[in-house]
Amino acid sequence: EGQVGESGGGLVQPGRSLRLSCAASGFKFDNHAMHWVRQRPGKGLEWVSVISWNSGRVDYADSVRGRFTISRDNAKNFVYLQMNSLRAEDTASYYCAKDKSGHYENPGGGYMDVWGKGTTVNVSS
Amino acid sequence: SFELTQPPSVSVSPGQTAKITCSGDALPNHYAYWYQQKPGQAPVLVVFKNTERPSGIPERFSGSGSGTTVTLTISGVQAEDEADYYCQSVDITATFSVVFGGGTKLTVL
Repeated sequence: EGQVGESGGGLVQPGRSLRLSCAASGFKFDNHAMHWVRQRPGKGLEWVSVISWNSGRVDYADSVRGRFTISRDNAKNFVYLQMNSLRAEDTASYYCAKDKSGHYENPGGGYMDVWGKGTTVNVSS
Repeated sequence: SFELTQPPSVSVSPGQTAKITCSGDALPNHYAYWYQQKPGQAPVLVVFKNTERPSGIPERFSGSGSGTTVTLTISGVQAEDEADYYCQSVDITATFSVVFGGGTKLTVL
């Protein structure tokens, strides 16, 4: 089944940037799409972004499109989330999660079967 | 994108059956998935493709339903099942997006 683990969270001022990293192990990384999901304090889950197995397709939530960029390095088994122009409302725990499929847009994919423990991003002056 | 609607809370006594519903207009066209999240922990997939259970998930967790409403049923609820439960589906009407329900807090009395 495998494991994923996030890093890179912290305190950042509004308008600044931060890059989150997610290390994957225990599964064939380049067979699976990867997601980022966030959870604001005391709130529910909010999907952020997804990248296909070969980076050929990426998608974003409306709330982050144009500010966040997802990428992956299949040689290193990492997925990243570059977050620019951060806002107070981006404050959340950010989870990395493995999609069941490499092609998330197909009927066999689009859901997460392995999650990391999350990394916390606090956007505040 | 479409919405998924869940009741904010459900309460049951130990040993009883808990049913958590998830409603959405697009559910007839897309699978639903269910996640359990305990305080301070990451979500865990407990049901996928409406009715299937991942390995390692107790048999008391089951999914059902078709049409615009799906249901997560927990039979013989145990104290350890107290958690938040989220349904999830996908929206591919314009671009692709993942949609979560607002979550249901299951309280074991």
